[in-house]
Amino acid sequence: QKEVEQDPGPLSVPEGAIVSLNCTYSNSAFQYFMWYRQYSRKGPELLMYTYSSGNKEDGRFTAQVDKSSKYISLFIRDSQPSDSATYLCAFSYQTGANNLFFGTGTRLTVIP
Amino acid sequence: GAGVSQSPSNKVTEKGKDVELRCDPISGHTALYWYRQSLGQGLEFLIYFQGNSAPDKSGLPSDRFSAERTGGSVSTLTIQRTQQEDSAVYLCASSQDRNYGYTFGSGTRLTVV
Repeated sequence: QKEVEQDPGPLSVPEGAIVSLNCTYSNSAFQYFMWYRQYSRKGPELLMYTYSSGNKEDGRFTAQVDKSSKYISLFIRDSQPSDSATYLCAFSYQTGANNLFFGTGTRLTVIP
Repeated sequence: GAGVSQSPSNKVTEKGKDVELRCDPISGHTALYWYRQSLGQGLEFLIYFQGNSAPDKSGLPSDRFSAERTGGSVSTLTIQRTQQEDSAVYLCASSQDRNYGYTFGSGTRLTVV
């Protein structure tokens, strides 16, 4: 079983739709949860960061973490064509491994 | 600089040749990472530098891969005797604290022919 599972998509939605992106993970030692957005031919950029279970909101973006189910989600409200990108979830330990563990990414297209 | 700078942005090389990829991190960031991104594979950790500590090389896939970081700033990733399976985007990132996420460069797209 992979440590991180993420549906690669692609996902196409009309402008204004609510988008839900999800990742599951198997390692209960993960303590930090992140979402990155990656535009074509660019490096990933950090969108959302959270430590605990629950919801964290930032503008049109909401990150949700359910540690008991080992499941994280990113919701995008009122999606815009500029949101078209690949979204990657990422995880890290509090101590131990120095690196982040990434999902393979979900490609999202928002159609005007 | 304002962001993480990587060069070259694209590199095409013949199988068996050596290549050097460069990363200039954000000034003041003590942590520097190299990742590899292959199609459908996600980001694969390669190596981590933190200040003057010994690097974490646990992600390097073979002894053909090496990296150094001079003066706690610029880093070079070297791939010797390149193989076709080395074709990927090589991403560099820097951070002040690993648990708060990184800032990535735009990557070097390596194609081995």
